[in-house]
Amino acid sequence: DSGVTQTPKHLITATGQRVTLRCSPRSGDLSVYWYQQSLDQGLQFLIQYYNGEERAKGNILERFSAQQFPDLHSELNLSSLELGDSALYFCASSVAGNSNQPQHFGDGTRLSIL
Amino acid sequence: GQQVMQIPQYQHVQEGEDFTTYCNSSTTLSNIQWYKQRPGGHPVFLIQLVKSGEVKKQKRLTFQFGEAKKNSSLHITATQTTDVGTYFCAYNTDKLIFGTGTRLQVFP
Repeated sequence: DSGVTQTPKHLITATGQRVTLRCSPRSGDLSVYWYQQSLDQGLQFLIQYYNGEERAKGNILERFSAQQFPDLHSELNLSSLELGDSALYFCASSVAGNSNQPQHFGDGTRLSIL
Repeated sequence: GQQVMQIPQYQHVQEGEDFTTYCNSSTTLSNIQWYKQRPGGHPVFLIQLVKSGEVKKQKRLTFQFGEAKKNSSLHITATQTTDVGTYFCAYNTDKLIFGTGTRLQVFP
């Protein structure tokens, strides 16, 4: 058990819809990272938050947004969903804000777009 | 931008055989991390290498960071079925970038 909690585990929805994925980091970790993993793209970094502030951005689409709340949990919002958004979305956390810290991953949310 | 190639993409071995995966960068890396993802699971941090020429061991796993800090390898001695999974190297700039991974299958 990594200590990182992601909900829901599975999500099935239709094109054009909007969903919110939730992540609670390990106790004491201030940084939260979001990744997308699909079969043909591997593990792609989306965005990082550190203590409530955006720290780094990867290949995150404009239709996607995220935030980190004062209690340090984070949400990833995906809107105007397309079939290609079907993937496994992982959240990870680390103690500090610099990316050379080990990251601890949650079990992921599997998103299926029908 | 920086590219990290990981080879091989797949490796099938008989239990007891050795296994090595390589991570190669076109530019110098400040450090490198290795993760393992079991089938249906999430990536799990294994180790971080920082120094040029560094070698670290974890039981049957040996990790190396090249002298020029442009490549790294993970070697597993005498594989077991529990070693099955995908092994990723990852390097950081202002964010952690994962390599493409090597999927290891071990046949009993």
